Order: sequence, then C-alpha cells, then structure tokens
Amino acid sequence: QVQLQESGPGLVKPSGTLSLTCAVSGGSISSSNWWSWVRQTPGKGLEWIGEIYHSGVSANYNPSLKSRVTMSVDKSKNQFSLNVSSVTAADTAVYFCAKGQQWLEPWGQGTLVTVSS
Amino acid sequence: DIVMTQSPDSLAVSLGERATINCKSSQSVFHRSNSRDHLAWYQQKPGLPPKLLIFWASSRESGVPDRFSGSGSGTDFTLTISSLQPEDVAVYYCQQYYNTPRTFGQGTKLEIK
Repeated sequence: QVQLQESGPGLVKPSGTLSLTCAVSGGSISSSNWWSWVRQTPGKGLEWIGEIYHSGVSANYNPSLKSRVTMSVDKSKNQFSLNVSSVTAADTAVYFCAKGQQWLEPWGQGTLVTVSS
Repeated sequence: DIVMTQSPDSLAVSLGERATINCKSSQSVFHRSNSRDHLAWYQQKPGLPPKLLIFWASSRESGVPDRFSGSGSGTDFTLTISSLQPEDVAVYYCQQYYNTPRTFGQGTKLEIK
C-alpha cells in the first residue's frame, strides 16, 4: 500500500522559496500516472496547487500560483517535489502531497510551512 | 474556476440518525466523454489528512463503510451517512475534478447532537 511523506523546512522567510519533497513508499512512483499537491489554511480551506505526471514530462498548476510554482519528479529516489517562489505570509499553510489526478488518495500526513522573518 | 459550495457549514446529528451534506457546483461537472460526474467526497478528522470516501459522485472507495453514500448529478450532489456513528465526527469536503484547477468545497463540520 502506497504511503506518502512530506518533508522540508517548516519556516521560510518572506520572498524566499518554499521547497518540499514527497517520498513515496510501498510502491513505485510510476504506479500512478499523476501526483498532486494541495495546501490547507484556516481561511481558504483546501487549495489545489497542481499535479505532475510520473515521468515529470507534464504538469498542471493552479493559475492563482502558476507563475511561482514548479513541480518535479525524481524517479531514482521515488519522490516528487514542490517549489513555490516569492513566498509571502499568505503561503503559510499545511502542505499535503497526494496520489492521483482526479480523486486523491492516499495523502501524506501534511507538513506545516510558516512564512515569517 | 468551478466554485463548490457546501451546505450547511455545520451540522449536529444524533447517533444512529441520518446526516445529509449538500454540495453545489457553479457549473455542471458531468462529463459527456465518459457519462460520469467528476466529483469526490472526503472526510477529514483533526490533525489528519483528508480521506477519500466517494468518487464519480457515488462510487464508494474500498474499505469505506456502506453507511456512506453519494448521490446527485450535474451541479447538485449529496453525501449521506445513513446511521451516524461516533467515529464519523469530522469535516467533510466535496471536490470537482471536471477541470483544472481542481476545487474543493469549504467543508461541512459534522458533530454529534
């Protein structure tokens, strides 16, 4: 059974870059065509960030974040990653990675990223 | 973007009673290409990630108790819990995957009366 685990800095300075990795265990990252990132804040609820194909050749991003988001896949490490540049306090959220493109399951436990100086 | 609106925002139901949560999309999520409604339901308990309950609007995820059911088509959908159990206390979300960006409802908090 596939399990996902997010990792990365819990604190990022304003104007910096948020970088997170999602490690896939219990199966190959190629077991699913698509992998996704979602974030959650008390104010905006669940917000879809984007999705990436398992080979990394294609990705779709939320237009609200598109200019600042990059996703990638590292098949050799069985993981995929999220970068969000030029962060502000509004990017403070719990970030989840998840398997799938349409419905999402399973999800990682989530990691809180705070943007603050 | 397709806006997903859930009602009510919160709900208190007695144990063993029926709970009904509604979700309305700002445009139809029925896709003619596969004659399916591109809608999912999730359950989220405090401190945990969302858990998939329903996909294609009415297909129950493996392992989900059969007291959970989804219905509806087009723009109006319902998640029903036929007999509320203590472990069903959670926040429930609908999500459309008709197009990108995928969007979620604001959530419905379900409590025991």
